[in-house]
Amino acid sequence: AQSVTQLGSHVSVSEGALVLLRCNYSSSVPPYLFWYVQYPNQGLQLLLKYTSAATLVKGINGFEAEFKKSETSFHLTKPSAHMSDAAEYFCAVTPTSGSARQLTFGSGTQLTVLP
Amino acid sequence: GAGVSQSPSNKVTEKGKDVELRCDPISGHTALYWYRQSLGQGLEFLIYFQGNSAPDKSGLPSDRFSAERTGGSVSTLTIQRTQQEDSAVYLCASSFGQGNYNEQFFGPGTRLTVL
Repeated sequence: AQSVTQLGSHVSVSEGALVLLRCNYSSSVPPYLFWYVQYPNQGLQLLLKYTSAATLVKGINGFEAEFKKSETSFHLTKPSAHMSDAAEYFCAVTPTSGSARQLTFGSGTQLTVLP
Repeated sequence: GAGVSQSPSNKVTEKGKDVELRCDPISGHTALYWYRQSLGQGLEFLIYFQGNSAPDKSGLPSDRFSAERTGGSVSTLTIQRTQQEDSAVYLCASSFGQGNYNEQFFGPGTRLTVL
């Protein structure tokens, strides 16, 4: 069975500082990997996804993530935080084969951006 | 274009009552998912529909939960004899095609409160 671990339920950064949100997966075969963002009282919005192509994936709003098979990681980064980045971020996985289609989510990381 | 819509946005009910939650997916999307988001359990998969195939009900927590999808479009999630632990935000998502790599587009959710 697949699982996702997000280290740090809360992360605070200063405006303009680097954002690093950690995600590690556990599965025998590397899955497809996704990062979603959730703003207050809204649904989830896809930031980026890894689907076995390039290991460095660029997404919306200046975010990117690097798939590292040796570390079973898919950490999300942004060089310079903006106040509008404050939200909850979820890493999710889904298998690359088999009948299951649903996403398995991590527990989420609440990002606070300090002025 | 129109995204995934859900109704009602908020629902307050008394313990033991039945509730119905509605999801209108993006037009043309063949896959539809229901997830539940609660403080204690995070984001959990409930049920998945793909075209005319039998739904994947593996995430439904009890037989009090059921869902249907009429005409391959609108879906209704029904919770019978609601319990306080059913209080959560219920999220619907849809995607195009059968590939797991396809983005799931999420609705804003229905916040259910069981008194």
